[in-house]
Amino acid sequence: AQKITQTQPGMFVQEKEAVTLDCTYDTSDPSYGLFWYKQPSSGEMIFLIYQGSYDQQNATEGRYSLNFQKARKSANLVISASQLGDSAMYFCAMREGPPSGGYQKVTFGTGTKLQVIP
Amino acid sequence: DTGVSQDPRHKITKRGQNVTFRCDPISEHNRLYWYRQTLGQGPEFLTYFQNEAQLEKSRLLSDRFSAERPKGSFSTLEIQRTEQGDSAMYLCASSLAAGQGYPYGYTFGSGTRLTVV
Repeated sequence: AQKITQTQPGMFVQEKEAVTLDCTYDTSDPSYGLFWYKQPSSGEMIFLIYQGSYDQQNATEGRYSLNFQKARKSANLVISASQLGDSAMYFCAMREGPPSGGYQKVTFGTGTKLQVIP
Repeated sequence: DTGVSQDPRHKITKRGQNVTFRCDPISEHNRLYWYRQTLGQGPEFLTYFQNEAQLEKSRLLSDRFSAERPKGSFSTLEIQRTEQGDSAMYLCASSLAAGQGYPYGYTFGSGTRLTVV
């Protein structure tokens, strides 16, 4: 079974509008972390936002927020006020085990290509 | 130190040749990771180091692949007898050891894109 599932291969959004990128995950570990990364055409993976499994509140970082629904095992990324520079691939990822654990392997989804339309 | 550096950015090689990639992590990061990303996929874990010790290797890392981090600083990834299936983006990332800082995530380099012809 896939540990991280991103069901939207591609998305379009109008500039200045909000967009939600979907991510569901599968783990039996009670302690885990969820990440979103942005990958522009240059190839670099850019960290956007992190949510720990025990965090009580949804994470926010500027225009990015993570809609964490633990019971549904979903961790959707919301980008508010989209900008042209937001056009990129977006990857959801998960670390299983506590952040203080010995090994920090991160598993990635297949990504969603977001295109922002002027 | 502005981030993780990878060299070269692009490499085209003939099938059967050996190639070597280099990664320079953020200087204070003691963990270093190699990932491979094929077209249309997310990155897949290959191996990781804590300081100079290679602590985990994926089954994706066949015996044609070897990685080193001799002094706990930069790392090299070598692929011997390259095959067309090795064509991919090879990403390096670094991080602090667990518990030493938020957000417990990686800082990635820009990757080395390998094309085997």
